[in-house]
Amino acid sequence: GAVVSQHPSRVICKSGTSVKIECRSLDFQATTMFWYRQFPKQSLMLMATSNEGSKATYEQGVEKDKFLINHASLTLSTLTVTSAHPEDSSFYICSPRTDNLGAFFGQGTRLTVV
Amino acid sequence: QKEVEQNSGPLSVPEGAIASLNCTYSDRGSQSFFWYRQYSGKSPELIMFIYSNGDKEDGRFTAQLNKASQYVSLLIRDSQPSDSATYLCAVNPVSGGYNKLIFGAGTRLAVHP
Repeated sequence: GAVVSQHPSRVICKSGTSVKIECRSLDFQATTMFWYRQFPKQSLMLMATSNEGSKATYEQGVEKDKFLINHASLTLSTLTVTSAHPEDSSFYICSPRTDNLGAFFGQGTRLTVV
Repeated sequence: QKEVEQNSGPLSVPEGAIASLNCTYSDRGSQSFFWYRQYSGKSPELIMFIYSNGDKEDGRFTAQLNKASQYVSLLIRDSQPSDSATYLCAVNPVSGGYNKLIFGAGTRLAVHP
């Protein structure tokens, strides 16, 4: 099955700094990657969809200039949270698009902004 | 109205009992339905998906879909303490195309010995 490696698993950063989250597909080529965010006791919310070699598609209400997505290769998609604020503290999860929709997720990144 | 609704719980069941988890959705044209298990601090793990009305069984798990009532459920037979987790329901709505999944907030299940 598809193996997705997401790093880091946990990160603490200061307000105003930027944090990069990486999601690598290890045994397949991911042309599309979904990025979700989950606040405590809430549902996963789709933030954006990244496509290899083209611009990401952002969901309504998600600031594209704050959450920078890069999908420069078929095995790597990154999400950078810029100028982080405490309200950006959340659990961020990537999920590659495969023939089996919704089957695979990265391990998740717990971001804490202090 | 939320697109996918679940009772937050906790649902507490004794070990060996059947746990019944419910989910309703608002998009009547939704095509596919998913159940995930999520342990605290971890990513969701897909348990099973269902497309057609009726029941679908996989080991101790049975998914039930009723499109007319816009209702999908998950039964867990012979519940074990290791089943204690949050169970997420997700729906692929017709308005979202192939790619989009809408998640419920999850039901926390506690299986006590």
